[in-house]
Amino acid sequence: NAGVMQNPRHLVRRRGQEARLRCSPMKGHSHVYWYRQLPEEGLKFMVYLQKENIIDESGMPKERFSAEFPKEGPSILRIQQVVRGDSAAYFCASSPGQFTDTQYFGPGTRLTVL
Amino acid sequence: DAKTTQPPSMDCAEGRAANLPCNHSTISGNEYVYWYRQIHSQGPQYIIHGLKNNETNEMASLIITEDRKSSTLILPHATLRDTAVYYCIVRVRDSGTYKYIFGTGTRLKVLA
Repeated sequence: NAGVMQNPRHLVRRRGQEARLRCSPMKGHSHVYWYRQLPEEGLKFMVYLQKENIIDESGMPKERFSAEFPKEGPSILRIQQVVRGDSAAYFCASSPGQFTDTQYFGPGTRLTVL
Repeated sequence: DAKTTQPPSMDCAEGRAANLPCNHSTISGNEYVYWYRQIHSQGPQYIIHGLKNNETNEMASLIITEDRKSSTLILPHATLRDTAVYYCIVRVRDSGTYKYIFGTGTRLKVLA
């Protein structure tokens, strides 16, 4: 049973470019969460999605960041016009439901902005 | 803001029990305590969770105080591979959704 998959594992972008991070949840999971981790810090919640719906985006920066989880295909976290401060590890987690279900994390995407 | 407080680091001898404490004095009655660990910079790995009662699984035991203001994760026989950052997390309900609030964790070093 494959776990949560994320790609790419490493992504290098120059300032001003776009970054697209992909997350495929575990089989049978329809809830996806995105977190960001800065060096030497804990993970910070960004957004929670179900298929075709954004449920909670209270942790997302107001500008340049967006997320989607289409009916078919992986969830996408998009960062437009990246800046150096966007350099971080971005983790995706999935769960089968929400109210009592444990979240399982992917290996993360390490974004470096030059 | 994190709802948990953990010591920043701990050492444990290989083969001995590792006891990792966590304070969550503002926890609400229906908020679960979860423990994850992060080895190197990999994705967090689920360990165990509980609400009121003590819990045990193949990885660890979780002891929650009666007032639920603190808990302890016990790794009964630590190995070198248990060296990691351990996060104690309270799962909170905020605006109708449940989310994990991570703190800064405890960096456990298992010594040979």
